Amino acid sequence: AQRVTQPEKLLSVFKGAPVELKCNYSYSGSPELFWYVQYSRQRLQLLLRHISRESIKGFTADLNKGETSFHLKKPFAQEEDSAMYYCALSGLTGNQFYFGTGTSLTVIP
Amino acid sequence: GAGVSQSPRYKVAKRGQDVALRCDPISGHVSLFWYQQALGQGPEFLTYFQNEAQLDKSGLPSDRFFAERPEGSVSTLKIQRTQQEDSAVYLCASTLQTGNTEAFFGQGTRLTVV
Repeated sequence: AQRVTQPEKLLSVFKGAPVELKCNYSYSGSPELFWYVQYSRQRLQLLLRHISRESIKGFTADLNKGETSFHLKKPFAQEEDSAMYYCALSGLTGNQFYFGTGTSLTVIP
Repeated sequence: GAGVSQSPRYKVAKRGQDVALRCDPISGHVSLFWYQQALGQGPEFLTYFQNEAQLDKSGLPSDRFFAERPEGSVSTLKIQRTQQEDSAVYLCASTLQTGNTEAFFGQGTRLTVV
């Protein structure tokens, strides 16, 4: 079975503070991990993916296979980071994307 | 269009009514997914198409749900005899190819069954 767990439904941080959104996964294989973001009144869009190893809008995520985690981090949160964040997993065949339940991030000015 | 387009954006249906939700993927995208997103939940997989072939429909919650993509582009998700528990946002996503690649999402259709 494939599962993506995001333990925090809500997360609030002050502007300029570090932020970490947690994601753990369970998958019998080598998954591809993604973070998707949904800003207010906008559609879901890709933030970053494990395989590209990019830093997007200051966010990074490291795949830790030992801990089966793919936590999203940013050293200094900005107000415009307030959004809903979803961790997602895809298998090698790409037949499915499994999503976590999401974390709503609020950055307090 | 430049992105995935879904219609209608909002649909109110009386319990027992049939509904049809449309998805126009990005032109040339091979894979198409349907998801159901209940309030406060993440998107739940419903079904997957590779071109016109429906390769996985394991997520469809009952035989009242039916999806098709006859020409490998536009897809329709049909729900027969709607129930209140069908109320959700239905999301469509497409990817350029099979395998691990970015999924582009539509705005979704918010279905409310009264």
